[in-house]
Amino acid sequence: NAGVTQTPKFQVLKTGQSMTLQCAQDMNHEYMSWYRQDPGMGLRLIHYSVGAGITDQGEVPNGYNVSRSTTEDFPLRLLSAAPSQTSVYFCASRLRDSYEQYFGPGTRLTVT
Amino acid sequence: AQSVTQLDSQVPVFEEAPVELRCNYSSSVSVYLFWYVQYPNQGLQLLLKYLSGSTLVESINGFEAEFNKSQTSFHLRKPSVHISDTAEYFCAVSNSGGSNYKLTFGKGTLLTVNP
Repeated sequence: NAGVTQTPKFQVLKTGQSMTLQCAQDMNHEYMSWYRQDPGMGLRLIHYSVGAGITDQGEVPNGYNVSRSTTEDFPLRLLSAAPSQTSVYFCASRLRDSYEQYFGPGTRLTVT
Repeated sequence: AQSVTQLDSQVPVFEEAPVELRCNYSSSVSVYLFWYVQYPNQGLQLLLKYLSGSTLVESINGFEAEFNKSQTSFHLRKPSVHISDTAEYFCAVSNSGGSNYKLTFGKGTLLTVNP
């Protein structure tokens, strides 16, 4: 049982490049979320999903896309990276009837 | 809408001293409350939660938090801290019903325990 996994751990992008941050969980959790963590800002919700085929926007969705084709995977896409997207990104998941979120180890993204 | 305020961004203490990390929340509906801990270069882990029942909740490593509805607070305390408690602590709130899939975090409090 690997829990929540994220790849890559580190990434450097140039402005305008695109990439996908991968997130997978093997706990059969219905709910999955993406957060970004910035110094002094705490964690802010980007997008979330309550089940396969269902996604919605969080607090800071601009510049990011998501899809949820399977229960296990919830990738986050940056279509045209900007320096303001330099951050640490965390994926999390939980069961529908539980309030305990399980977090992945994070992806540290730098956009130059 | 709901919000969380962690009143101290940094709290330095000496080993074996008591500590309190303060958290206040704002919400128009009933809430569930959480404390998460983030050790250096790691993801977040749930430390403790208040869902209902006793307003005093405890973690397995000696932390406790008390839900105070009248003061809209959920302060985290430990009577004697260890070096290994050095971490960033986040208070979080979720609606207790309806659209309860969103977790709102405070900005975090960095606890540094010095020898």
